[in-house]
Amino acid sequence: GQQLNQSPQSMFIQEGEDVSMNCTSSSIFNTWLWYKQDPGEGPVLLIALYKAGELTSNGRLTAQFGTTRKDSFLNISASIPSDVGIYFCAGQRRPGNTGKLIFGQGTTLQVKP
Amino acid sequence: DGGITQSPKYLFRKEGQNVTLSCEQNLNHDAMYWYRQDPGQGLRLIYYSQIVNDFQKGDIAEGYSVSREKKESFPLTVTSAQKNPTAFYLCASSTWTSKETQYFGPGTRLLVL
Repeated sequence: GQQLNQSPQSMFIQEGEDVSMNCTSSSIFNTWLWYKQDPGEGPVLLIALYKAGELTSNGRLTAQFGTTRKDSFLNISASIPSDVGIYFCAGQRRPGNTGKLIFGQGTTLQVKP
Repeated sequence: DGGITQSPKYLFRKEGQNVTLSCEQNLNHDAMYWYRQDPGQGLRLIYYSQIVNDFQKGDIAEGYSVSREKKESFPLTVTSAQKNPTAFYLCASSTWTSKETQYFGPGTRLLVL
């Protein structure tokens, strides 16, 4: 099945730095979601986006639903060590409300104190 | 506390053996899902159920079976026909009206002896 193109694949940054990652697709999506997964645990939903152009924040995290409906971005400001983990984007293609999500391959984030 | 539970945390399978992974939720969600995660990859949908006594195949259903006799429960059986079962299995659930906003359990790691 199709997977989203998520980049970068991994990041190694200094504590306090800002982080940006993105997800792209050749298809139009009607929903974008961002999850964080700690090793050996299930993904935790961070942000859900439902409208093109939507910009939503959750603490130091900000995500945007691209205006073309084919991409989404996640930014983390002032990173801290507990931000370490794997970040996944996921999307649902139109038509909507099937529940069938497509996932990116993940961005592994490491933060150096 | 409301949430999704999966058991066991680790499961070992012998050659030719069927094993069943448990998933229970007390969120009163209508829809439930099973995903498979392999190292360095995103999640892939195995089966999903939008309502009791009904379920559909996802992208990689071969070698797996499910049942949905109760709203709260969606067990996954990994049959002997699944030749490469070693993976991390994740269960998720969502409401009927917002199926794309899925919440995940802690996962079960299946290993083959």
